[in-house]
Parts: sequence; C-alpha cells; structure tokens
Amino acid sequence: DVLMTQTPVSLPVSLGGQVSISCRSSQSLVHSDGNTYLHWYLQKPGQSPQLLIYRVSNRFSGVPDRFSGSGSGTDFTLKISRVEPEDLGVYYCLQSTHFPWTFGGGTKLELK
Amino acid sequence: QIQLVQSGPELKKPGESVKISCKASGYTFTDYAMHWVKQAPGKGLKWMGWINTYTGKPTYADDFKGRFVFSLEASASTANLQISNLKNEDTATYFCARDYGGDFDYWGQGVMVTVSS
Repeated sequence: DVLMTQTPVSLPVSLGGQVSISCRSSQSLVHSDGNTYLHWYLQKPGQSPQLLIYRVSNRFSGVPDRFSGSGSGTDFTLKISRVEPEDLGVYYCLQSTHFPWTFGGGTKLELK
Repeated sequence: QIQLVQSGPELKKPGESVKISCKASGYTFTDYAMHWVKQAPGKGLKWMGWINTYTGKPTYADDFKGRFVFSLEASASTANLQISNLKNEDTATYFCARDYGGDFDYWGQGVMVTVSS
C-alpha cells in the first residue's frame, strides 16, 4: 500500500496567518493516464470531510483562493493564507492513483 | 442540490450484523460510483472500497474483505453497507462519499456504529 505521511501532526496558527501542510507518498502518484490523483480534505469538528483541492492544485467549487495546492511525484503541499476561524480542523491528503486508496494521517490546524 | 443522507446511529452486540444506508439525491445515481470510508473514534480516515452504481460491482480494500458487503437499491438511489459478525474494532463512523473522477466531492453525514456487549 502507498504510505501517505503528513507533517506536521499539529499546526498552531494565528488568525490571519499563513501555514503549509506537507504530504509525502511512498511512491510516485503519477497515474499511467498522466494525471496525479492527490487530493486535500478538511474535516471540521463533528462534520464530514469536505473536498478542498483535487488533483494536486484544482480548487473545488466554492473553496476560497486562500487555499492552494502544489507538488508533484511524491511531494505535495497545501498552503492556507489569511487563516480564518472556519479553517480550523483536521486536514487530510488522499491518494487515488494506486489501489488501495490511502489517506494521510491528518494535520490538526488549531489556534495558537 | 446534491445530498447523501445516511441512516441513523446503531448500537449492536458482538457477533450481530448491521446494515446502513446512503440515499443520494440531486443527481443521476448511476452516473457516479459510491465509496465507503471508516473513521474509528478519534482516528483518521480509512478507505474501505467502492461500488459501481451502474453495474453493482463492488471492490473491497483487503482489510474489508469477508464481513463487509456493499450493495445497491438503484431504484431508490441508495447504497448500502452491511457488516456481519460485528467486532469491537468495527466501532466507528462510516461515511459514504460520491466519486468525482477519483476523489470524493460529496459525503454523507456519517453513521456511528457502536459495538458493545
């Protein structure tokens, strides 16, 4: 199975600040069709996860441009600028290039 | 609007079975595969597998082969997850999620299944 390693596990932030979350995979996530199936989700307390970024860098409908995704191969980053209260929660990366699909362990974004 | 509405919480004893449902609305059910994701209390997300809503063919991750069954009631736009011979470690929230070209764009609200004697 592809191991997805997210760092840090916990990320204290001040409102209005900027943060980055790293997600590294144990093998390349480039699919044979040329796409890279690496996605980012936010799970707010008591809620279902919600899609933020799909295929590395594409913002899902309604996601503010404060969120951006980048990376390639095995190394990916989610950046959040001008952090707002509604951004707090646990962030997960997901790879769907290889079977079985696997999630990262999560990064908890919390107030300093 | 697109919605996935799951059934209510379940409290079961070890060895019993449970069937939870995920009713889709706001889109053509058979156009998108449905996935299932497990989240144990206080833990992260684990992908269980998916079902082709057009053919009904299920695909299971290795950890979910044997006691877990994905099924459909396509006429009712509903996907189901049945777990048999429940174990304590099955205590978790189970989410259904719609496949959007390799990711999950819409999720159900989750069903908490508690297994306790």
